[in-house]
Amino acid sequence: NAGVTQTPKFRVLKTGQSMTLLCAQDMNHEYMYWYRQDPGMGLRLIHYSVGEGTTAKGEVPDGYNVSRLKKQNFLLGLESAAPSQTSVYFCASSYPGGHNQPQHFGDGTRLSIL
Amino acid sequence: GDSVTQMEGPVTLSEEAFLTINCTYTATGYPSLFWYVQYPGEGLQLLLKATKADDKGSNKGFEATYRKETTSFHLEKGSVQVSDSAVYFCALSDSGTGGFKTIFGAGTRLFVKA
Repeated sequence: NAGVTQTPKFRVLKTGQSMTLLCAQDMNHEYMYWYRQDPGMGLRLIHYSVGEGTTAKGEVPDGYNVSRLKKQNFLLGLESAAPSQTSVYFCASSYPGGHNQPQHFGDGTRLSIL
Repeated sequence: GDSVTQMEGPVTLSEEAFLTINCTYTATGYPSLFWYVQYPGEGLQLLLKATKADDKGSNKGFEATYRKETTSFHLEKGSVQVSDSAVYFCALSDSGTGGFKTIFGAGTRLFVKA
């Protein structure tokens, strides 16, 4: 049982390049989330989705786009990478039920923007 | 806005010592509260949760009680082990009129010495 799988695990980009981070879950969860983790700041919510075909902004959405074309996948895109987007990115998923449900996390993608 | 404040780390304890990690929150609604644990190189894992005032969450010897009167959710364990060394995150989730939100504290690193 894989749970939440993130690809790639590591990536180095140059400023201005674009890329897509992929998150896949096999738990049939409705809700999916993207976070970034920076030193001393905990995790901050970038975007989330409450179901296939729906997305919403979180706390720090600027510079990122997302898509949820299939229930099991949630993609995070950086159209023009900036050094400020150097971070560790985590995807998570949960059952419906809003804020009462715990989230299940992937192992993260470490992204460096030069 | 909503926020979560955790005690700064690192916390260093000897094996079998008593652990307390303080967590306080501010919230406009009625959030659910969570403790997550992160081991090196991995994503966050749910440790315990509480969804309403006076609820006590517990798991693997860890406990935390949702105290609305003091807006706190302190994590405790009576006897820590070396294997408890990790980073611990306090978090709140709410889904009021402002939409879904999840706020994490900055994390507290725990080192347990044999």
